[in-house]
Amino acid sequence: AQSVTQLDSQVPVFEEAPVELRCNYSSSVSVYLFWYVQYPNQGLQLLLKYLSGSTLVKGINGFEAEFNKSQTSFHLRKPSVHISDTAEYFCAVSDRYSSASKIIFGSGTRLSIRP
Amino acid sequence: KAGVTQTPRYLIKTRGQQVTLSCSPISGHRSVSWYQQTPGQGLQFLFEYFSETQRNKGNFPGRFSGRQFSNSRSEMNVSTLELGDSALYLCASSLSDEQYFGPGTRLTVT
Repeated sequence: AQSVTQLDSQVPVFEEAPVELRCNYSSSVSVYLFWYVQYPNQGLQLLLKYLSGSTLVKGINGFEAEFNKSQTSFHLRKPSVHISDTAEYFCAVSDRYSSASKIIFGSGTRLSIRP
Repeated sequence: KAGVTQTPRYLIKTRGQQVTLSCSPISGHRSVSWYQQTPGQGLQFLFEYFSETQRNKGNFPGRFSGRQFSNSRSEMNVSTLELGDSALYLCASSLSDEQYFGPGTRLTVT
């Protein structure tokens, strides 16, 4: 069975500061990893995904994440945040041998940006 | 290309009633999945339909059901509504390894 742990439920940062949202996963099989963002009253939007290849993945809106197999982590980073990045961020994992629907989501990290 | 659409966006129902939510996937996507999102339980997988057949199912009671039509549009039905069914219901369509989510239907049960 797979699981995802997002270590911080809330992360407050100042505008233009760097941010890291932490995600650890557990799985007995090879996985795909995802980060989604959810703005208020909206659905989830894919930020980036790791399927294979380079462990450093670049996504939309200046976000990137690094897959670390030995530490079973997939932390999300952005060097300089903007007010518009205020949202909830979800890390997710799926078994690469199963349907995309069998995706397990973390509990989410609420990113709040202070001016 | 149009994204995933869900109707209605907001819904208020009374305990004991039943409700039907609709989801139209991205054109060409044959897989449609449904999720329930609540503050307490987070995002939970309900079920997935592919080519009009239920392919995967989460751990929800039989009051939650769904179906998919030949044009890949999907509906989700909840019967005998309970207060705890109040949630944001998200639909996602998929072509392969990535899911595209709709804006959700916010259901409030009073």
